[in-house]
Amino acid sequence: AQSVTQPDIHITVSEGASLELRCNYSYGATPYLFWYVQSPGQGLQLLLKYFSGDTLVQGIKGFEAEFKRSQSSFNLRKPSVHWSDAAEYFCAVGDGGTSYGKLTFGQGTILTVHP
Amino acid sequence: ETGVTQTPRHLVMGMTNKKSLKCEQHLGHNAMYWYKQSAKKPLELMFVYNFKEQTENNSVPSRFSPECPNSSHLFLHLHTLQPEDSALYLCASSQDSSGNTGELFFGEGSRLTVL
Repeated sequence: AQSVTQPDIHITVSEGASLELRCNYSYGATPYLFWYVQSPGQGLQLLLKYFSGDTLVQGIKGFEAEFKRSQSSFNLRKPSVHWSDAAEYFCAVGDGGTSYGKLTFGQGTILTVHP
Repeated sequence: ETGVTQTPRHLVMGMTNKKSLKCEQHLGHNAMYWYKQSAKKPLELMFVYNFKEQTENNSVPSRFSPECPNSSHLFLHLHTLQPEDSALYLCASSQDSSGNTGELFFGEGSRLTVL
């Protein structure tokens, strides 16, 4: 069965600092990988996704993520964090073997941004 | 309207009440989902409907009863709930098998409190 681990429950950074959120997955084949962001009281919004091809993917709001098969990782990065980036971030792996999407989510990482 | 819309946004109910959550998507998708988001736990997939047919029931108690009358609407009927059922219930949709990538589009959620 597929699984996702986000080792950091809570991360605090200063505004303008760089950010890296870790994600490790377990999946038998080439995974479909996603990062979602959730602001308080809101649903989840897709930041970026990886299906195949270039292992460095660009997303919205200046985020990027790199797929590393050898490390089973899909870490999310941003060079300079803004106060509005404070939210909870979820990594997810998709089961592309079914006729619909079925995602397994990590537990989430809460990002706090200090001014 | 666009995207995925959930109503009500907030619901408080007693353990003997019967209520329903509603989800509507305007994306032309054919798969719809209910996820449960509890504090400090990963998102839990509850139900999946693909072309109005239920394809996944993730061992959800029978006090939760889904209904999908068409590909655009999804309901979650609630009765005799327990306080531990208090959570954010998220609806999502995705493309059908012809263009499946596993990417989910989420509503903003219905915050349920069971007294």
